[in-house]
Amino acid sequence: DAGITQSPRHKVTETGTPVTLRCHQTENHRYMYWYRQDPGHGLRLIHYSYGVKDTDKGEVSDGYSVSRSKTEDFLLTLESATSSQTSVYFCAISDRIGLAAYNEQFFGPGTRLTVL
Amino acid sequence: LAKTTQPISMDSYEGQEVNITCSHNNIATNDYITWYQQFPSQGPRFIIQGYKTKVTNEVASLFIPADRKSSTLSLPRVSLSDTAVYYCLVGKNNAGNMLTFGGGTRLMVKP
Repeated sequence: DAGITQSPRHKVTETGTPVTLRCHQTENHRYMYWYRQDPGHGLRLIHYSYGVKDTDKGEVSDGYSVSRSKTEDFLLTLESATSSQTSVYFCAISDRIGLAAYNEQFFGPGTRLTVL
Repeated sequence: LAKTTQPISMDSYEGQEVNITCSHNNIATNDYITWYQQFPSQGPRFIIQGYKTKVTNEVASLFIPADRKSSTLSLPRVSLSDTAVYYCLVGKNNAGNMLTFGGGTRLMVKP
């Protein structure tokens, strides 16, 4: 399995508090992503990064910010958590394999966040 | 991004072959078809990818007709451990590409 860890794995917080989730990879992959998954739904992209300090918004970016100061770390911050942000958050990584364009993404174990 | 439609759920029994069909009527010329598998409490895992005709690996086969408006994921002789959600995705095959997941197909394998 790809070397991806997420921390914390579980977190319970209160509405209005800031929360930061961390994704750490040991694969030196260029691209990193944050998704959220809600019950009965597929994954939705929040933000992604295509290199150090290079990030962009995904489908559901409102209320979230990200930072990537090192290749191996991609942080997701909820500036002021709301109950609608209760979800499971997955980090993913990908890279170009040799000369072949390839879009396989490797996913981390997920972080279950509950906002009360 | 091309929209995909797949059954919400399917049931099967151990040892049977399971075929999950995905419709993608507005697939673009340079779009690829990719399938991911997700077990409970885990992130999705890549299964197979194809552009046309048939692709086979150690896990599954992917059948794509000439018009590419649909595709079928075939899982040979499923076991209880194949119980998972299977997602069909359509899009460009570029490193760094964003993936769009639909609702997936929840496969339940029974003994």
